[in-house]
Amino acid sequence: AQTVTQSQPEMSVQEAETVTLSCTYDTSESDYYLFWYKQPPSRQMILVIRQEAYKQQNATENRFSVNFQKAAKSFSLKISDSQLGDAAMYFCAYRRQGGSEKLVFGKGMKLTVNP
Amino acid sequence: DADVTQTPRNRITKTGKRIMLECSQTKGHDRMYWYRQDPGLGLRLIYYSFDVKDINKGEISDGYSVSRQAQAKFSLSLESAIPNQIALYFCATSDSGRGYNEQFFGPGTRLTVL
Repeated sequence: AQTVTQSQPEMSVQEAETVTLSCTYDTSESDYYLFWYKQPPSRQMILVIRQEAYKQQNATENRFSVNFQKAAKSFSLKISDSQLGDAAMYFCAYRRQGGSEKLVFGKGMKLTVNP
Repeated sequence: DADVTQTPRNRITKTGKRIMLECSQTKGHDRMYWYRQDPGLGLRLIYYSFDVKDINKGEISDGYSVSRQAQAKFSLSLESAIPNQIALYFCATSDSGRGYNEQFFGPGTRLTVL
């Protein structure tokens, strides 16, 4: 079974600084997708960024970028120029290609942004 | 207007009662999912449906049932609510026509069982 591990339950960062959130996963599949979701206090799940496993290039969305290391099964999220609105729970998620296509989530990490 | 809506947003019920949580979407997606979020455990899949006639159990389906009344509507029922079903429930949708099948989540329903 696939598993997703977020080993750091909480992190903090100063406004305008850069922070990296770590995620590792375990799978025997070769074709899959990885996602980072943000959950602010409103509890809405918001997709931040996604990565297709077959792509070697790391995904980037504005201030958010990932470091995808397929061999190491590592998928970290870097937030640059942190803003107060980035404060939230962040969840790493995995989805295999085919089957139920369910998302397998990590336990989440709480990010605090200090002014 | 929200693309994926859930009603109610909050629900308080008593042990043993049957309740229904509803999800509707205007995105035109064919796939719908119900997840449960417990503190410290992330989200886990309860049921999923690839179309109106295709409903499947997820990893934690015991104590739950679902109904796909139309492509746009997917309801989750708790046959006899118990306190360990206290959680945040999310509905999600995706479009099978898109390669990465991004899932879009509703705002969640917080369930309390007394």
